[in-house]
Amino acid sequence: DAGITQSPRHKVTETGTPVTLRCHQTENHRYMYWYRQDPGHGLRLIHYSYGVKDTDKGEVSDGYSVSRSKTEDFLLTLESATSSQTSVYFCAISEGGHYSNQPQHFGDGTRLSIL
Amino acid sequence: GQQVMQIPQYQHVQEGEDFTTYCNSSTTLSNIQWYKQRPGGHPVFLIQLVKSGEVKKQKRLTFQFGEAKKNSSLHITATQTTDVGTYFCAGRGNNDMRFGAGTRLTVKP
Repeated sequence: DAGITQSPRHKVTETGTPVTLRCHQTENHRYMYWYRQDPGHGLRLIHYSYGVKDTDKGEVSDGYSVSRSKTEDFLLTLESATSSQTSVYFCAISEGGHYSNQPQHFGDGTRLSIL
Repeated sequence: GQQVMQIPQYQHVQEGEDFTTYCNSSTTLSNIQWYKQRPGGHPVFLIQLVKSGEVKKQKRLTFQFGEAKKNSSLHITATQTTDVGTYFCAGRGNNDMRFGAGTRLTVKP
């Protein structure tokens, strides 16, 4: 498996609190992604990054922000968590961009519950 | 916007039976990728199809890309308990890549 580490693996928090999820890669891939996975919806792209400090919105970006200060780290922040953001969050990396033919490699996921 | 629909949502088979999942797009796709996610696991890339009418095989798995590049299928021959999981297609149209909702396969021994 690709060297991708997500932390934390599980988190339970309350509505209105800020939450930050971390994705760390050791593959030196330029492109990194954050997805959320919900029953009946598959994987939906939240934000992605195409380099240090270069990020863009995905399909479901409202309520989320990201930062990438180093090639290996991509952070996802929920500024004020809501119950609708309860989900499993996956980080992915790829050698090619979001518009390329390169496959994506996924981390193990973070299960986030917002009460 | 681009939509990728996948059917069926669930499929339960007896071990040894065949299984097929279908992926349909509202727009022409430049490529389609297939992923498998085991229960409790993360999606793992299986294969990519790029050419119109392309067919690729991986042991008991056969992947097809439609002539119009708007649909694709994954067929598993003689399912085994190790095939259990959710199979996702992901298609790239003019813009970003979109995942289907997945087909969850369960196999009864």
